[in-house]
Amino acid sequence: DVVLTQTPVSLSVTLGDQASISCRSSQSLEYSDGYTYLEWYLQKPGQSPQLLIYEVSNRFSGVPDRFIGSGSGTDFTLKISRVEPEDLGVYYCFQATHDPPTFGSGTKLEIK
Amino acid sequence: QVQLKESGPGLVQPSQTLSLTCTVSGLSLTSNSVSWIRQPPGKGLEWMGVIWSNGGTDYNSAIKSRLSISRDTSKSQVFLKMNSLQTEDTAMYFCARGVHGLFDYWGQGVMVTVSS
Repeated sequence: DVVLTQTPVSLSVTLGDQASISCRSSQSLEYSDGYTYLEWYLQKPGQSPQLLIYEVSNRFSGVPDRFIGSGSGTDFTLKISRVEPEDLGVYYCFQATHDPPTFGSGTKLEIK
Repeated sequence: QVQLKESGPGLVQPSQTLSLTCTVSGLSLTSNSVSWIRQPPGKGLEWMGVIWSNGGTDYNSAIKSRLSISRDTSKSQVFLKMNSLQTEDTAMYFCARGVHGLFDYWGQGVMVTVSS
């Protein structure tokens, strides 16, 4: 199975600052069709996960443009500019290129 | 308004079979696929399997031998059955619209504890 390694495990950020989360894959996530099926989810405390980013850099409907996904191959990054209180929770990367689909281990974002 | 809601027993004995139901509203199961995803307490997420809009299924190879997903389109319900439960199957179980990703609608989840 593809292993997604997220760093850091936890992150404490001042409101208004930028946060950056890395997701490294054990295999390239570029599929034979040319697309890269790497997504990002946020699980707020006590809630179900919510989709933020799909295909590396596409924001899902309603997701603020403060959330920026980037990367290729095996290395991916989620940047959150101007962190707001509602951004706290656990962020997961997810790959659907290889079967079975797998999630990263998560990065907990805390507000200082 | 799309909604998914999981239901099932909160406690299952070891070696027994888990049966969960995901009741959906605001979408048709004949044109939408539904996945099951679980999360052990304090841990990460695991994709378990999917029932496609055409009724076909795909399972995570790690649990494929124990898992079955089916549906009743007339009742807008998706079912999960998993046998030979062990303590490590204790988790929050979610259903979500989506196949291999693009999980845009999720249920609230149902907590299942495996214990005697």
